[in-house]
Formats: sequence, C-alpha cells, structure tokens
Amino acid sequence: EIVLAQSPGTLSLSPGERATLSCRASQSVTISYLAWYQQKPGQAPRLLIFGASRRATGIPDRFRVSGSGTDFTLTIARLEPEDSAVYFCQQFADSVTFGQGTKVEVK
Amino acid sequence: QVQLQESGPGLVKPSETLSLTCGISGGLIGTFYWNWIRQSPEKGLEWVGYIYKDGSAKYNPSLKSRVTISIDTSKSKFTLSLSSVTAADTAVYYCARGVPTGEDAFDIWGQGAKVTVSS
Repeated sequence: EIVLAQSPGTLSLSPGERATLSCRASQSVTISYLAWYQQKPGQAPRLLIFGASRRATGIPDRFRVSGSGTDFTLTIARLEPEDSAVYFCQQFADSVTFGQGTKVEVK
Repeated sequence: QVQLQESGPGLVKPSETLSLTCGISGGLIGTFYWNWIRQSPEKGLEWVGYIYKDGSAKYNPSLKSRVTISIDTSKSKFTLSLSSVTAADTAVYYCARGVPTGEDAFDIWGQGAKVTVSS
C-alpha cells in the first residue's frame, strides 16, 4: 500500500499569502496519478485537481500542483478566507489511498 | 446536475452487516465508476471500492473479504454491504462518482451518511 504523508499538519496564513502543502509518498508515484481535495467542516471533500493539471469544474488557477517521484506540492496563491479548509492528497497509482490532510487557516 | 444521496441505518450492531444505498439523480449511470469512500477520525479517508454499470467491481484489499457493492441501473442506485462490522467500521460513508476520464479521482460526492457500530 502506498502511504501518503502530508505536512504540515496546520498552516496559518493571512489573506493574499501563498500556501505550500506537501504530500510525500512511501514509494514513487507519477504525478498523473495524484489528486487533491478540499474539505470544509460538515461537507464532503471537493475535488480540486487530478492528473497533474486537470482542475475540477470551477477551481481557479490559484491552485496548482507540482512535484515528482515521492514529493508533491499543492500551492495555493493569493489566499482568500474561503480557502480555509482541510486539504487531502490522494493517489490512484496502486489501489487508492489518501493522505491524512493539512488544515489551512486563512485569517 | 448530478447529485448523490446516501441512505441507510445510522446504527448497526457489531457482527451484523452494514448496508447503504446511494441514489443517483440528475444524470445517468453512464460510463462512470461509482465509489464508496468512508472517513473516520482514526483512519481518515479510506476508499472502500467501486462498481461499474456492468456489475464489475473492485475493492480495497484491506476490506475485500467483507465488502460487496452492487448496482441497479434501472433504479439509478448502487449499494454497499459490509459484513461482520466492528467499532472500527464506524465512519461517515460517502458515495462518489469517478471522474469522466476514468481515473480513480472523485468529482461528485454525496453529503455522507454517518454510521455507528454499537450494541
């Protein structure tokens, strides 16, 4: 099983700043087999990006992913208060597994 | 606009079978993969499995011996059965649609059904 470790646990930033979220895989994964989700309290996860650069409907280009091998990054530019949420990475190269999440606080 | 809605008992006794149904509205079953995903504080997000319109299914290896997912295309719904449940199966269960391009990413989710395993 591919284990995904996300860091940091919590990120506290101000509006307008950039967030950098890390997702490290226990073995090499092609970025094409990664996805990222946003989850707000009491809601289901929402797909942001999958397959390296394919954004889900309505997701602005402030959200970008990068990386290779075992290290991947979700970057959120120009943070807005509504970006406050927990963000999860997911791999589907070998079955499906999720990271444990990074909480982003924007205030 | 496709919407998914989970339904089923919120409380299941240990050793019994958990059964949940996901109703699909606003769209066709089509050529999508239909998934179950659960979330608990202890295990986080955990993919349970998926089913395709032809009835073919794939399950999480860690749950495979206890999971069955079935589909009723005429009623636009699919069902999760998880046998021999324990407290570790307590979670919010989501049904979700696989993305149109066929990858195992999930673009539409239900609101979730909280299931507690307790006597």
